[in-house]
Amino acid sequence: SAVISQKPSRDICQRGTSLTIQCQVDSQVTMMFWYRQQPGQSLTLIATANQGSEATYESGFVIDKFPISRPNLTFSTLTVSNMSPEDSSIYLCSGWDGLNEKLFFGSGTQLSVL
Amino acid sequence: KQEVTQIPAALSVPEGENLVLNCSFTDSAIYNLQWFRQDPGKGLTSLLLIQSSQREQTSGRLNASLDKSSGRSTLYIAASQPGDSATYLCAVRHDYKLSFGAGTTVTVRA
Repeated sequence: SAVISQKPSRDICQRGTSLTIQCQVDSQVTMMFWYRQQPGQSLTLIATANQGSEATYESGFVIDKFPISRPNLTFSTLTVSNMSPEDSSIYLCSGWDGLNEKLFFGSGTQLSVL
Repeated sequence: KQEVTQIPAALSVPEGENLVLNCSFTDSAIYNLQWFRQDPGKGLTSLLLIQSSQREQTSGRLNASLDKSSGRSTLYIAASQPGDSATYLCAVRHDYKLSFGAGTTVTVRA
């Protein structure tokens, strides 16, 4: 199945700054998603990244805080803006393998905000 | 809203013992259920996928069962090894979205 390369793998950031996370897939995928996993908790869907149009955000997540780009079918970025310590989480991108009806994941970005 | 629960939250067993991990969900209208493994600070690796029409799936030492009507799935890992130590998550699919459980953290003692 397809492989997602996600970077950075981890970062430590200062309050008030922004971080952009990149995901590159080795083949075209129709759907990509961004998840957040707060410490000790399960994964929460942030948004669906739509190719060539605005992302679709889940309840509780807004574009100003988590702008997403998806310029083509193999690449997407998530920016965590104006960070606070509450944004400390693992952020994961994923792609939909329609052939096998599975979700596959990047290796995650562990973000710590001081 | 789909709620997915995994019990126990943590499990510690001696090497060689069989593992039984439980997952329950509140809405039985699912397309499929997927089990994942997550190593500390890392992404998720897909282990098994069970379609809603299936009762079980097997891969090597792993076997997953699904009882859709009662909203339950069980992951069995035979003859556990220290390398099986990780967090195991189940996720149920509805449309293209997945709802995840909080996971069971497994420690296999050598």
